[in-house]
Amino acid sequence: SAVISQKPSRDICQRGTSLTIQCQVDSQVTMMFWYRQQPGQSLTLIATANQGSEATYESGFVIDKFPISRPNLTFSTLTVSNMSPEDSSIYLCSVLLTEETQYFGPGTRLLVL
Amino acid sequence: GEDVEQSLFLSVREGDSSVINCTYTDSSSTYLYWYKQEPGAGLQLLTYIFSNMDMKQDQRLTVLLNKKDKHLSLRIADTQTGDSAIYFCAETAGTYKYIFGTGTRLKVLA
Repeated sequence: SAVISQKPSRDICQRGTSLTIQCQVDSQVTMMFWYRQQPGQSLTLIATANQGSEATYESGFVIDKFPISRPNLTFSTLTVSNMSPEDSSIYLCSVLLTEETQYFGPGTRLLVL
Repeated sequence: GEDVEQSLFLSVREGDSSVINCTYTDSSSTYLYWYKQEPGAGLQLLTYIFSNMDMKQDQRLTVLLNKKDKHLSLRIADTQTGDSAIYFCAETAGTYKYIFGTGTRLKVLA
């Protein structure tokens, strides 16, 4: 497995502001992902963070709202921009360690007032 | 499109077996997974099964796969209070894209 950390672990933010979430892995990984888990819901893939190129976004998610950086093979950031209460969720990063196994970070719990 | 469904709640007594069920729609799934999410935590990979297998056992966990019915189950033997959590099944719709179920909240009664 891998040790995956996220910062911050939780935050309370005002609407209209932006928050950047960091994800750090203890080993180099090719593929990193960002998911959203809305209250009481399942996980939805936001995007794949590509090292050295623009992220690949899933349907319903756009770069202007969720800009992603991936400067190297161990680190990625997700920014939630111009937040509204509907953005209150748990945001999780994950990494693909082998072709068949994906591991998740502890998540960032975001509350937007 | 792909869809993965689970029952929302399951309650069992400590020491009993728990069986959590999942149905999926994508017949081309390669791997199917079970993740556990404890309160305030991320997702922990419990086990997974390759689609050409019918069963996989790992200590107290037994995974059964019925490809014909597109049905996956997770049996937890001798369920403990520490097993109380939300359990998600997931399938691969591609090489890396996972489709997650709605999650089953397991409550273990002492």
